[in-house]
Amino acid sequence: ETGVTQTPRHLVMGMTNKKSLKCEQHLGHNAMYWYKQSAKKPLELMFVYSLEERVENNSVPSRFSPECPNSSHLFLHLHTLQPEDSALYLCASSQDRAGFSLSYNEQFFGPGTRLTVL
Amino acid sequence: AQSVTQLGSHVSVSEGALVLLRCNYSSSVPPYLFWYVQYPNQGLQLLLKYTSAATLVKGINGFEAEFKKSETSFHLTKPSAHMSDAAEYFCAVISESGAGSYQLTFGKGTKLSVIP
Repeated sequence: ETGVTQTPRHLVMGMTNKKSLKCEQHLGHNAMYWYKQSAKKPLELMFVYSLEERVENNSVPSRFSPECPNSSHLFLHLHTLQPEDSALYLCASSQDRAGFSLSYNEQFFGPGTRLTVL
Repeated sequence: AQSVTQLGSHVSVSEGALVLLRCNYSSSVPPYLFWYVQYPNQGLQLLLKYTSAATLVKGINGFEAEFKKSETSFHLTKPSAHMSDAAEYFCAVISESGAGSYQLTFGKGTKLSVIP
């Protein structure tokens, strides 16, 4: 596997279910990101992890819970979601997040998980 | 914080015609600018990036973009559209989000349709 992978690619869940999205990067990067992409809205940054530490949480509801056990893996745990949470969830990684260096900040994206909440 | 404006949420061109997708950013020096492409049911793929080395940036698939500081623009062009160019295109700028840290701010995207 190369680049950034995400599983599952598609997920349908009920509002009372608990599920998890998984992201894995094979690039040796230190920073990982979760984005939400809804129809007709800009990409929304949800969470940022740098060296396995959460450095940013953009006012995301607590029904979304991220986990970064190591620099290669990032999870998004989902619990009691709402239909408006249906979207494409994209994971990305970059070499690092600190410092104003282009190579550090260039982000590489996974293919996304298409989530539908019924 | 930086912001990015993409004019036109949907652009249609005929196959073989010029592609022009517009992007304007809020002023900051130096800006770091990107164009990403998203094909249906896929993630974002980097098309090209402005690194301040040259104002005309060439990317993959025949695309290029010109950084114009006076106009705060970074429009994406391709001389001749191909059917495979049909996708959504996102302009993005790196912005400072806190002491020593930066984030990527995206425009709303422009969906490109190519008519045979």
